[in-house]
Formats: sequence, C-alpha cells, structure tokens
Amino acid sequence: SQQGEEDPQALSIQEGENATMNCSYKTSINNLQWYRQNSGRGLVHLILIRSNEREKHSGRLRVTLDTSKKSSSLLITASRAADTASYFCATAAVGSWGKLQFGAGTQVVVTP
Amino acid sequence: DTAVSQTPKYLVTQMGNDKSIKCEQNLGHDTMYWYKQDSKKFLKIMFSYNNKELIINETVPNRFSPKSPDKAHLNLHINSLELGDSAVYFCASSQALSGGAETQYFGPGTRLLVL
Repeated sequence: SQQGEEDPQALSIQEGENATMNCSYKTSINNLQWYRQNSGRGLVHLILIRSNEREKHSGRLRVTLDTSKKSSSLLITASRAADTASYFCATAAVGSWGKLQFGAGTQVVVTP
Repeated sequence: DTAVSQTPKYLVTQMGNDKSIKCEQNLGHDTMYWYKQDSKKFLKIMFSYNNKELIINETVPNRFSPKSPDKAHLNLHINSLELGDSAVYFCASSQALSGGAETQYFGPGTRLLVL
C-alpha cells in the first residue's frame, strides 16, 4: 500500500506567497525525501531528512519531520512561477535497501 | 551532460507486441531502479539492481524482465504488452545501496502508450 500521503492534493498560490504541503506515513522510516516533478519531466531530488533530524533547510525550502506523528512538511518560501510543479514525499523504511515509497503528490500552481 | 538517460522518450505500440526501454547513467552509481508512474501520477517501484544483481523485485507481472549488462545500464523488456501497461516508466540511480535509501536521480521518463 501507499506509504506517504500528501496533503493538500492541489495548491494554488500567487508569486511571493509561501506554500506548505504535508506528508503522512505509516511505518518507521530511515529517512524521508522530497522530490519535485515538472510537467512531463522526471523527478528532481530536493531534500533528504533522516529519522534523527527534525528540520532541514535548502535555499527557499524548509522541511520538518515529526517521527512521533509520522509526518513531514515542506515549506517553499517566497514562491515563484518556476516553482509550479508536483511535489512528492518518499519514505525509506528501515532496512528498505533502496526502496522508496512515494505518495500521490501535491500539485502546486504559482501564478504571477 | 545527461546524468540518467532513457530511450526512447515516447513509445506507441500495439497490444501483444514486445518492447524494450533502455537506461544509462554516467554518475558512477552502483544501484539502478525502474519505476512506473500511472495516469494519477502515483509512482511505484518495480525493480532495483545493485552492481548487476537484482535486489528489489516488486509484484510485477513476469512479462516485465529487467536486464543489467553492467552497473551503468539497466534495461526493461516487456513482453505481450497490454493496455494497462500504458504509463510513464522512469529509470533512476543512486550512489550506493544502504539499509535505508539514498538520494535517487531520475531519468526523463519513457511514455508508453499501448493501443
């Protein structure tokens, strides 16, 4: 069954606003990763956060992880039209040996 | 320079045909993967290979057969194509195989349409 589930399914915001999306998962994890997929393209890795980390930053991206609630959030600050994409969380269970379980993604549209 | 490349980019074929998709990575990674993304964008792992050895083999019909001639290449052969095989197939690679999962680098995808 699907491991990660993103919320919301879709998000429409204006340039300059922040976008927040959440991911919930079911089993213990080794790490959780966020990927971006532009329309018609492959996935691009954004951030990996390990189970013993609580927060990570990369440029305008901020990821949090709460293992007690089995949830993570991705915040994109000061969004740009180029941030329009689908965002996926993917979980790596303990002992998964490379197997990532992806959620269904959040479709983000940023309008100028 | 393309890190993970796939050919072909588009594949339109008739039911019952056999087709192959090729994947190559020039990142020097040890592990490669095949994923299937359906029309709802749900991405599911199919196979993974580490140094030419099959590591992950999900519940995939045996019409799908991966082959890894060397650690830089992972091909996917599909026999007797069915309508339900229509999807986007992504190849990915990661540096090493670990107890968890490391960052994966994805190819651009192969859009397969079975008529």
